Amino acid sequence: AQSVAQPEDQVNVAEGNPLTVKCTYSVSGNPYLFWYVQYPNRGLQFLLKYITGDNLVKGSYGFEAEFNKSQTSFHLKKPSALVSDSALYFCAVRDRWNYGGSQGNLIFGKGTKLSVKP
Amino acid sequence: NAGVTQTPKFQVLKTGQSMTLQCAQDMNHEYMSWYRQDPGMGLRLIHYSVGAGITDQGEVPNGYNVSRSTTEDFPLRLLSAAPSQTSVYFCASSSPGTGSLEQYFGPGTRLTVT
Repeated sequence: AQSVAQPEDQVNVAEGNPLTVKCTYSVSGNPYLFWYVQYPNRGLQFLLKYITGDNLVKGSYGFEAEFNKSQTSFHLKKPSALVSDSALYFCAVRDRWNYGGSQGNLIFGKGTKLSVKP
Repeated sequence: NAGVTQTPKFQVLKTGQSMTLQCAQDMNHEYMSWYRQDPGMGLRLIHYSVGAGITDQGEVPNGYNVSRSTTEDFPLRLLSAAPSQTSVYFCASSSPGTGSLEQYFGPGTRLTVT
């Protein structure tokens, strides 16, 4: 079964410092991996995805994520956090080789609240 | 191109009432899904559809019905609302067959059942 774990409910960072939001996954085959961000009272916005190729993926708003197959991780990173980055972040996974039926849907983690203080 | 739209934005129901949450997308996506979001529980899949005329249950389908008569629309029906259905509901669409693997989300419907 596919699953995603976000081990931290909340991450606190000072503005200007680097940030990391952790994600580990479990799929039976090779994964497609995604990060989404949700600002208060808004829907989820797509940030970035890993499909294949370079393990370091760059996305919107200066975020990047590193795919590590041996550690089954896909941590979200940003070199210098902004107060405006404060939001709820979701990691999601899909098994690459299962397209039809329920496997076509993304499995989401429970979310990590990022708080960036000035 | 409006993306994924949802109506209404907010709704208050009394226990036992029924209603339909509307979802539409204009991206010709074959996949559409309904999720509910509850604090500390992330997003849980209610129902999904892989194309017009085809629907299936997700993780938490009880108390909800769906239909997919067109590619664009995927309404979610609450048959007899219960307080446990108080939540924020998100509709999403994607097109895995054409390489659009990420899901696009609507703005959500905040439902309160009293």
